[in-house]
Amino acid sequence: GIQVEQSPPDLILQEGANSTLRCNFSDSVNNLQWFHQNPWGQLINLFYIPSGTKQNGRLSATTVATERYSLLYISSSQTTDSGVYFCAVEQGNSGYALNFGKGTSLLVTP
Amino acid sequence: DAGVTQSPTHLIKTRGQHVTLRCSPISGHKSVSWYQQVLGQGPQFIFQYYEKEERGRGNFPDRFSARQFPNYSSELNVNALLLGDSALYLCASRYNTGELFFGEGSRLTVL
Repeated sequence: GIQVEQSPPDLILQEGANSTLRCNFSDSVNNLQWFHQNPWGQLINLFYIPSGTKQNGRLSATTVATERYSLLYISSSQTTDSGVYFCAVEQGNSGYALNFGKGTSLLVTP
Repeated sequence: DAGVTQSPTHLIKTRGQHVTLRCSPISGHKSVSWYQQVLGQGPQFIFQYYEKEERGRGNFPDRFSARQFPNYSSELNVNALLLGDSALYLCASRYNTGELFFGEGSRLTVL
């Protein structure tokens, strides 16, 4: 099956700093989503972005499907940004299964 | 509008028992998927149902089964529970293709 690799695995930032999270995938995809998992376990949708660039407030994402990677940018980080960020991809014939990476664990300190 | 709702939120079972987890999708969504997330890992795909038919199955043993009802809600059943089944079970729904929306999950502990 498709491989999804996220980097870095862990990240510690001071409040106000910027960061870039990366997601590499091993095959073509027809769906890519970024999620933030809060401390209670809920997966919060950040972006549905199989290709192109999107922005939502301090967050933005870019997917370059032809080169098989996606980037999530967090600007002016806040302590509430802490948690685990997952990239998940779906192949065309997967039965609509999302394949998740192992996540990037982010801690933003005051 | 209500999001994806799951019940129960937490439960404790002992080895060998059976468990049923329930999920109600977002109104208008006909597709429901189930995922298992063990501590420290990303979610793993278990099942996907669309219009009451199974459309996909992950690499899970036959002890795991699911079904979807006419109102598009779904149940996940796990028989003969093992310690390794302890996990967060997530349900997701989607309208057709495209974006998945997840519920808050059911946290299962097997003792």
